[in-house]
Amino acid sequence: SQQGEEDPQALSIQEGENATMNCSYKTSINNLQWYRQNSGRGLVHLILIRSNEREKHSGRLRVTLDTSKKSSSLLITASRAADTASYFCATDMINQGAQKLVFGQGTRLTINP
Amino acid sequence: ETGVTQTPRHLVMGMTNKKSLKCEQHLGHNAMYWYKQSAKKPLELMFVYSLEERVENNSVPSRFSPECPNSSHLFLHLHTLQPEDSALYLCASSQDLSTSGKRYEQYFGPGTRLTVT
Repeated sequence: SQQGEEDPQALSIQEGENATMNCSYKTSINNLQWYRQNSGRGLVHLILIRSNEREKHSGRLRVTLDTSKKSSSLLITASRAADTASYFCATDMINQGAQKLVFGQGTRLTINP
Repeated sequence: ETGVTQTPRHLVMGMTNKKSLKCEQHLGHNAMYWYKQSAKKPLELMFVYSLEERVENNSVPSRFSPECPNSSHLFLHLHTLQPEDSALYLCASSQDLSTSGKRYEQYFGPGTRLTVT
């Protein structure tokens, strides 16, 4: 079954507003990562939060992780039109020496000018 | 640019054709991955190579055949595909240090948009 599930599936807000996306997962993780994808392009890594961390910031991004609830949130503050993209959470499950990232279906974020 | 390139960017092939997708990473990573992204489905991990050895094969049909000749290159050989194989195929790489327990982010290429007719 799918490990990460994002909520909502689609989000449309006005430029300047904050956008919050949530991710839930089912099993224990090593870390959780958030990625962004512009339409038809490859994914770009945004932020990685380890299982022993609760909050992490990177510029306008703020990620929280609650391992007791098996959930994470991504907050984008002061949104811009260029933030329009799909956002995915991915949980990292250990598999020998390589990662096995399991992605959710993503949240499609639209920032209206 | 992420340091991961994929060619071709677009590919249209018939069900009887044989083609190959190529991925190259310039980041000095030691693990490479193939993913399939279909419309309205989560990104699916297909294959994982670590130190040029395949460590994951997620029940992918044999019409998809990966090859990793060295740590910088990864191929996906395609033959007798089906229309449902039409998708965006993404390659990624990462640095994995299993002895240290560290985990790093993955760097993705731009993808190959495959259409099977």
